[in-house]
Amino acid sequence: KAGVTQTPRYLIKTRGQQVTLSCSPISGHRSVSWYQQTPGQGLQFLFEYFSETQRNKGNFPGRFSGRQFSNSRSEMNVSTLELGDSALYLCASSPSGSWTDTQYFGPGTRLTVL
Amino acid sequence: AQTVTQSQPEMSVQEAETVTLSCTYDTSESNYYLFWYKQPPSRQMILVIRQEAYKQQNATENRFSVNFQKAAKSFSLKISDSQLGDTAMYFCAFMKHVSAGNMLTFGGGTRLMVKP
Repeated sequence: KAGVTQTPRYLIKTRGQQVTLSCSPISGHRSVSWYQQTPGQGLQFLFEYFSETQRNKGNFPGRFSGRQFSNSRSEMNVSTLELGDSALYLCASSPSGSWTDTQYFGPGTRLTVL
Repeated sequence: AQTVTQSQPEMSVQEAETVTLSCTYDTSESNYYLFWYKQPPSRQMILVIRQEAYKQQNATENRFSVNFQKAAKSFSLKISDSQLGDTAMYFCAFMKHVSAGNMLTFGGGTRLMVKP
């Protein structure tokens, strides 16, 4: 099976712009979670989607949003970009969305905000 | 809220030797899962090992094993016969059951360097 894929792998944006990141889960996986990784804050949970519904959201401003499609692919959007949004954004998928599942991570999208 | 603490920001070990990475966590839950993930310099996060809190037996995966001390809320990772390919960031993570979705809580990570 192919692993979790994320596109694009690298992005450079300027302050005030918006960005959309994409995640394709492992085939058959129905849950997708997003994490932000920065040197200062480490790995922080953004949100989780299951069956096109957001089930859980981390402590991030409303500029961060996401959605999941019927094929389980997910996108996250960041509007009005700030310098502090520069980070590695990781997507993870799990089979059934159960808390007993293991989450499998993609390679990440490196976002740089200038 | 759960917290996960990795007290060793950086460690190094000689090739073929054994190294132990520490992790402590704080929770009031009785059942939960603990994970060690590895993130090599190429950035893809890979699961190393996982442990269910209700299981007394420590998990092992080839050269990787854990020492799970539930009462002490400690979950250390032992890497035996270290190899150059073990050089990576290692993250300890915690998952508990919540009524609304799932969320991994990560420690700050330990950067492990395996030296030839």
